[in-house]
Amino acid sequence: KQEVTQIPAALSVPEGENLVLNCSFTDSAIYNLQWFRQDPGKGLTSLLLIQSSQREQTSGRLNASLDKSSGRSTLYIAASQPGDSATYLCAVSPLYNNDMRFGAGTRLTVKP
Amino acid sequence: DTGVSQDPRHKITKRGQNVTFRCDPISEHNRLYWYRQTLGQGPEFLTYFQNEAQLEKSRLLSDRFSAERPKGSFSTLEIQRTEQGDSAMYLCASSLKTSGGINQETQYFGPGTRLLVL
Repeated sequence: KQEVTQIPAALSVPEGENLVLNCSFTDSAIYNLQWFRQDPGKGLTSLLLIQSSQREQTSGRLNASLDKSSGRSTLYIAASQPGDSATYLCAVSPLYNNDMRFGAGTRLTVKP
Repeated sequence: DTGVSQDPRHKITKRGQNVTFRCDPISEHNRLYWYRQTLGQGPEFLTYFQNEAQLEKSRLLSDRFSAERPKGSFSTLEIQRTEQGDSAMYLCASSLKTSGGINQETQYFGPGTRLLVL
């Protein structure tokens, strides 16, 4: 059974700092990995999707990497801003079904 | 069409009552998913549809839960005889899959329906 773990569970940084969020998964037989953002009481917004054949994806100040063999992904946020404060979730889609598995998320606070 | 919509946004009910939630996906999307999310946890997959066919159901989906997508557009999720443990956020997502096989496309999520069972 695929298990997804995110470390740290919570992170507080001053504005302008670069930061890294970590995601690990136990089964490397994945089709893709996605990073989502969730604001309190709201739905999820997809940030980046990395196919299993890819190593990284970039969007603006965000860069996500994938090392499928070691079961790890990182989300790098450059020059953090207070508007980046949210919970960040990673999710893996398995090869053989559509049961996407999520981590519990990292709650990020960026202080002005 | 600006995205996935869900109705109601909040529902408070008494234990034992039945509740029904609705999800309207992005209009051209053929796949629709239901998830449940409890506080401090990531969403858990419940079920998904391709067009009107329900293709997968999680073991989390007990016999008190039923989902439909009768015309391949909107979907409903009904919970019968609600229990306090059903209290959670119920999220709907949709995606577009243009060929056979496993979906590898981005899922777009709605704002969720928050259920509280008293």
